[in-house]
Formats: sequence, structure tokens, C-alpha cells
Amino acid sequence: DAEITQSPRHKITETGRQVTLACHQTWNHNNMFWYRQDLGHGLRLIHYSYGVQDTNKGEVSDGYSVSRSNTEDLPLTLESAASSQTSVYFCASSEASGQGETQYFGPGTRLLVL
Amino acid sequence: AQSVTQLDSQVPVFEEAPVELRCNYSSSVSVYLFWYVQYPNQGLQLLLKYLSGSTLVKGINGFEAEFNKSQTSFHLRKPSVHISDTAEYFCAVSGTSYGKLTFGQGTILTVHP
Repeated sequence: DAEITQSPRHKITETGRQVTLACHQTWNHNNMFWYRQDLGHGLRLIHYSYGVQDTNKGEVSDGYSVSRSNTEDLPLTLESAASSQTSVYFCASSEASGQGETQYFGPGTRLLVL
Repeated sequence: AQSVTQLDSQVPVFEEAPVELRCNYSSSVSVYLFWYVQYPNQGLQLLLKYLSGSTLVKGINGFEAEFNKSQTSFHLRKPSVHISDTAEYFCAVSGTSYGKLTFGQGTILTVHP
């Protein structure tokens, strides 16, 4: 069965360190998204990609970057981790056939920045 | 711009009682509307979505939602809840930007025995 996986599932790091969260999907979807989930804010979009070599900023992109070198993966990098980036991070993917497509979510990565 | 407001952050209810989770949206264009559910320590999964046609949409696990364009609402309902429905529910909208979703703040539904 097709799926979307994230690793690691839990991560503790220190402020100032670079951290990369992995996202891998086997749906063969062109669209991929990264969200962060914080209490009282729901899910907020960090970055997204519509295909290989395409990346776009979401509403909370400061301090984060992504790259898309193949269809399956969209790693999220925190360039210099800050305590404000302690959160749960979700990756999602969807088909590229238009509006209204269902997004499929990974299980999430819980990140703690000390 | 578009936005979503979920009017209740927490909804406690007894098992077998009916429940309604409220969602209002704002958008300058036609929208597509979604409800997702998140069980503890899991990712989100789609409950149902409205794209066009009948304003009453049926989803998985006995949930349904009604699209009301004049009131810009998309409330989620279930006539009889189970303990297993305890989860966080998110309303989301897409429409102004290809493929992107804007989520509400979430409603935690707790079903008590």
C-alpha cells in the first residue's frame, strides 16, 4: 500500500543546531506540504512543493528550508533551531490534478528544542 | 485571503448522544471544504469533503456535514457518538491557491461513557 512516512518520530536538539526532518511518500504525488501543529493554532503551512525542483514558502517559513530533488522526498531543514520551533511537524502529499484533492498525512515528528 | 474559524475548542459529550462541531469560513472565491480527524499521536485523515453538488456530504464513521453558502458554514454532525470518536477534528478550506489548505484551530471532541 502507498504511504507517507516521516523520520525521526521524536527528536530533541539544542538551540542553534541544524536539524533535518525527513518525509517520504510512495503515492507518486507531485504536491507535498510541510505543516507545524501548535496548540490553539491548528496546522500552519511552512513550505510546499508542486514538483521536482519546485519549492514555495508558506505562512510560517522563516527559519525553515526545503528542497525537492525527486518526487518521493521533501526534507525540511531548520537552519538554526530555536525554542520557538518546538512543535509537531506533519508532512502531507496530494495529487496535482486540481483543487479539492485530498491531502494524505504522515504520522508526524515531535521536535523539542532545548 | 481565506480563513477558517472553529467555534468550539473543546466539546465534551456522552456516548450515544448527538454532536455538532461548528466551522465557519471566509473566502473571496468559491471554496472546497474538508473535515479531517486526528486520533491521539497520529496524523490527520480525511473524514469528508465538499467539492460541489449536494450540500449534505456523508463521510466515514457515520459523520456528515452540511455546506451552507449563505452562512459560510460547514458544520460536522454525528447522530450518535462512540467512545472511539474521541479525537481532534479540523475544518479546512481550499480555493484561493492551488492545492493548499487553510486549517481551523481544531476542536477536541471527548466522548464520555
